[in-house]
Amino acid sequence: SAVISQKPSRDICQRGTSLTIQCQVDSQVTMMFWYRQQPGQSLTLIATANQGSEATYESGFVIDKFPISRPNLTFSTLTVSNMSPEDSSIYLCSVELLGGGLWGYTFGSGTRLTVV
Amino acid sequence: SQKIEQNSEALNIQEGKTATLTCNYTNYSPAYLQWYRQDPGRGPVFLLLIRENEKEKRKERLKVTFDTTLKQSLFHITASQPADSATYLCALVRRGKLIFGQGTELSVKP
Repeated sequence: SAVISQKPSRDICQRGTSLTIQCQVDSQVTMMFWYRQQPGQSLTLIATANQGSEATYESGFVIDKFPISRPNLTFSTLTVSNMSPEDSSIYLCSVELLGGGLWGYTFGSGTRLTVV
Repeated sequence: SQKIEQNSEALNIQEGKTATLTCNYTNYSPAYLQWYRQDPGRGPVFLLLIRENEKEKRKERLKVTFDTTLKQSLFHITASQPADSATYLCALVRRGKLIFGQGTELSVKP
């Protein structure tokens, strides 16, 4: 199964600044997923990143706020832009263990972001 | 819209007992449902998947049931251990995307 390296593991940022989170997968994958987990809440899908095309964003999330890059089949970044304290969350990337969603998904260890 | 509900209250049980966690969903009936474990400060870890045509699936001390009539899945941990303490999330796949419940925190006391 795929192994994901996500960094940074945590950061404390000033409001108004931006943070870029990186995810590196040890195998080639078609789709990578970015999630947000707010304190005490479950995971909410932000967007799906495909290599060679623009990311697909879920309702409530926009590209200007969460730009995503997917330069190749093993790497993706998520940027949290113009941060406010409401952006304080854990951000996670994920890929399918195998195709078709039949074997579950694997997740990075997450980035704990605190905006002050 | 699709809703997945899990017991929001933490479940506290004694070591050796069976823990049972509930996942209910509304609207869309998934072809399969997944269960994950999440430890503090870590990403979710995939545990089990059950298909709509499977009533029950087992993996070591874990057992999952899936009742498409009730729109409910039950997750059992038999002979529970303190190391089983974690948050357990159910999720269904819709159009290639995972939709998660809010999770149930399980605490197993020695």
